[in-house]
Amino acid sequence: GDSVTQMEGPVTLSEEAFLTINCTYTATGYPSLFWYVQYPGEGLQLLLKATKADDKGSNKGFEATYRKETTSFHLEKGSVQVSDSAVYFCALIQGAQKLVFGQGTRLTINP
Amino acid sequence: DVKVTQSSRYLVKRTGEKVFLECVQDMDHENMFWYRQDPGLGLRLIYFSYDVKMKEKGDIPEGYSVSREKKERFSLILESASTNQTSMYLCASRPGRVTTEAFFGQGTRLTVV
Repeated sequence: GDSVTQMEGPVTLSEEAFLTINCTYTATGYPSLFWYVQYPGEGLQLLLKATKADDKGSNKGFEATYRKETTSFHLEKGSVQVSDSAVYFCALIQGAQKLVFGQGTRLTINP
Repeated sequence: DVKVTQSSRYLVKRTGEKVFLECVQDMDHENMFWYRQDPGLGLRLIYFSYDVKMKEKGDIPEGYSVSREKKERFSLILESASTNQTSMYLCASRPGRVTTEAFFGQGTRLTVV
């Protein structure tokens, strides 16, 4: 079945560092891909999405490009802030209409 | 803005109790979901519903049931709560179109003692 694999966490960075969180997927068709963010004590919020190959999703300085050839959707940000500390989830959806999530990556940014 | 509202942020229940977690969405979405979130395990799908009175089992349905009598409301039921059901429960909804994201409620942290 469909699956999503994220890089292991937790990830700890200093403020203004470059961030990459890796995400790869397995799917038989052409899924849509998402990054969600969960701040402490809250539900999940959509961060960005891409619906077809080579699409780039972007929001709040974060970017991710849908790479069909490598089945990847890595999340990047050029300069992280303390307020970016959260748990990040990569997810896909197709066909059966249920979201499939990665295991989540906890990010901590130190001042 | 889409709003998905879960009835409680925090709940404490005793072992063996019947527990109802309620979720309401205000955007006429066809699909609704219940996930549980546990450290190191990510989000796991319990049940989902793609229409009123329709439901399908997710990955971990054991010990749970659901009810969807109206389009806007999706209830998760723990028939006899156990300590291993202590977890964060997240409700989500989305329109019935493939490329559209899901919208989440704020979560219910359930503790079974």
